[in-house]
Amino acid sequence: AQRVTQPEKLLSVFKGAPVELKCNYSYSGSPELFWYVQYSRQRLQLLLRHISRESIKGFTADLNKGETSFHLKKPFAQEEDSAMYYCAPLGKFYFGSGTKLNVKP
Amino acid sequence: EAGVVQSPRYKIIEKKQPVAFWCNPISGHNTLYWYRQNLGQGPELLIRYENEEAVDDSQLPKDRFSAERLKGVDSTLKIQPAELGDSAVYLCASSGRRYEQYFGPGTRLTVT
Repeated sequence: AQRVTQPEKLLSVFKGAPVELKCNYSYSGSPELFWYVQYSRQRLQLLLRHISRESIKGFTADLNKGETSFHLKKPFAQEEDSAMYYCAPLGKFYFGSGTKLNVKP
Repeated sequence: EAGVVQSPRYKIIEKKQPVAFWCNPISGHNTLYWYRQNLGQGPELLIRYENEEAVDDSQLPKDRFSAERLKGVDSTLKIQPAELGDSAVYLCASSGRRYEQYFGPGTRLTVT
């Protein structure tokens, strides 16, 4: 059974609009998460680890324990953010099915 | 640093034929992973190695899939015989102590 789910398969926004991608979790243990990104014709790569509280490429990640969900946010989307985004719990070795972000000009 | 290297990048074979994929991880990374990724899905773990030991192969279809990492460095994943449903992208990844995975470019397998 899949223990992380990404409810949006496709998310389309206009350039400059805020973006929020969601990852729901249902596994036990400490909820820590990685967000990975795959740009067109590139390999899957780590974007950020939510617990680091870093901002990478303008993205930040947080946890909503009440909703058992993680959120990847960016206040102003850019066209170069268009990619597939996957969430993966720390140390669990499985991934969500991904959200395709399309940022329109 | 070349990152994780995989070969071949593409492979087309007929069903019932054997196929092998090779992976060289990032130097110093003890953990190596093989994933299968079907279209529209996230990667699914097939096998995970810590050095040369397979510590999680519960999702590996052992009747036709095999893998090895003899010296704890590079690894080979084999399918024999291939079936139509094996068409997918096969990803290799490696990680150090922080569980952050670094992926190779993948091998796109087409079984006809």
